[in-house]
Amino acid sequence: AQSVAQPEDQVNVAEGNPLTVKCTYSVSGNPYLFWYVQYPNRGLQFLLKYITGDNLVKGSYGFEAEFNKSQTSFHLKKPSALVSDSALYFCAVRPVSNTGKLIFGQGTTLQVKP
Amino acid sequence: EAQVTQNPRYLITVTGKKLTVTCSQNMNHEYMSWYRQDPGLGLRQIYYSMNVEVTDKGDVPEGYKVSRKEKRNFPLILESPSPNQTSLYFCASSLLQFTSTDTQYFGPGTRLTVL
Repeated sequence: AQSVAQPEDQVNVAEGNPLTVKCTYSVSGNPYLFWYVQYPNRGLQFLLKYITGDNLVKGSYGFEAEFNKSQTSFHLKKPSALVSDSALYFCAVRPVSNTGKLIFGQGTTLQVKP
Repeated sequence: EAQVTQNPRYLITVTGKKLTVTCSQNMNHEYMSWYRQDPGLGLRQIYYSMNVEVTDKGDVPEGYKVSRKEKRNFPLILESPSPNQTSLYFCASSLLQFTSTDTQYFGPGTRLTVL
């Protein structure tokens, strides 16, 4: 079965430190990969996506993600965290075989402390 | 302003009472989709529509119906709601046609409680 896993329910990091939010996937072929962020009482907002090409993708608000095909991972990173980055982050995968489906991970809460 | 709107934002109802959650987008997007969000489960896709009159099941379609009579609207219908459908629901849209690369724009969510 196709799936996306975010192994950490919560990630805690101090402001100014680098952050990583992990995502691995189990989807056949070369899927399209996405990160979304959800702030409290809000809908999801797009952060970045990987379609093809350079394995390091840059997105909104200083976030970037690294695609690793051999490890089937797409970890979200930021060199220096801000308190305002605290939110719920979702990794999502769109299988190439079915362009209509979007499979989400369970979500990871990022807590950035001053 | 480009946006996806959902109504109502909050709804408390009782088991078996039919309800409809509306979703509308003003971006002329072809693709629309419904998700439910539950703690620890992330978002799960209920139904999606690639274009007018074209709908397909997502991962958790049981107990839900949709229709896509016009491009801008994609209502979610619960014919006989049950307590296990208590959840936070999101509608989303994208320009996607066949490239699959488009990102989705999400509505603000509808919090549904079924007693």
